[in-house]
Amino acid sequence: AQSVTQLDSHVSVSEGTPVLLRCNYSSSYSPSLFWYVQHPNKGLQLLLKYTSAATLVKGINGFEAEFKKSETSFHLTKPSAHMSDAAEYFCVVKDFNKFYFGSGTKLNVKP
Amino acid sequence: GAGVSQSPSNKVTEKGKDVELRCDPISGHTALYWYRQSLGQGLEFLIYFQGNSAPDKSGLPSDRFSAERTGGSVSTLTIQRTQQEDSAVYLCASSAGQGNSNQPQHFGDGTRLSIL
Repeated sequence: AQSVTQLDSHVSVSEGTPVLLRCNYSSSYSPSLFWYVQHPNKGLQLLLKYTSAATLVKGINGFEAEFKKSETSFHLTKPSAHMSDAAEYFCVVKDFNKFYFGSGTKLNVKP
Repeated sequence: GAGVSQSPSNKVTEKGKDVELRCDPISGHTALYWYRQSLGQGLEFLIYFQGNSAPDKSGLPSDRFSAERTGGSVSTLTIQRTQQEDSAVYLCASSAGQGNSNQPQHFGDGTRLSIL
């Protein structure tokens, strides 16, 4: 079975500074990978997905993620944080019909 | 277009009562998933439907939990004889793909269930 590890349960950054949310996965083959964001009292919204077409994936709201097979990582980045980015972020691996979720990283953005 | 719709958005009920939670997936999506998200926790997989195949019920926590999907579209999650530990947000997601496709899940806003 697949597994997903989000290395930080909480990340705090100042507005305008870069964001890095880390994700490592276990997989015996090339996986399908996703990042989702969840704002309070809302469902999960897809930020981006890795489709094996390119290792650097661009998503919505200025977020990007880079697939590194050698490191089994799929870290999420954004050059400049905005207050509206404060939310919880989930890294997800798909294995056939099942989706495996990381435990989530709560992003706090300070003014 | 219409996304995944869940109802009710909030449900408060007394311990021991039965509850039904509804999910309307995106039209044409063959896969439907139910998850439970307890306060401060990640997502716990409950059950998965794919087309007309037998559902994967491996995540249901007890026999008080059941789900059905009628006509390959709307799904209902039923919790019988509710307990306080059933209090959580129940999320539904649908997906267009099956097998090893890279189609993502699309989530509803969830039903917040509170057991008194």
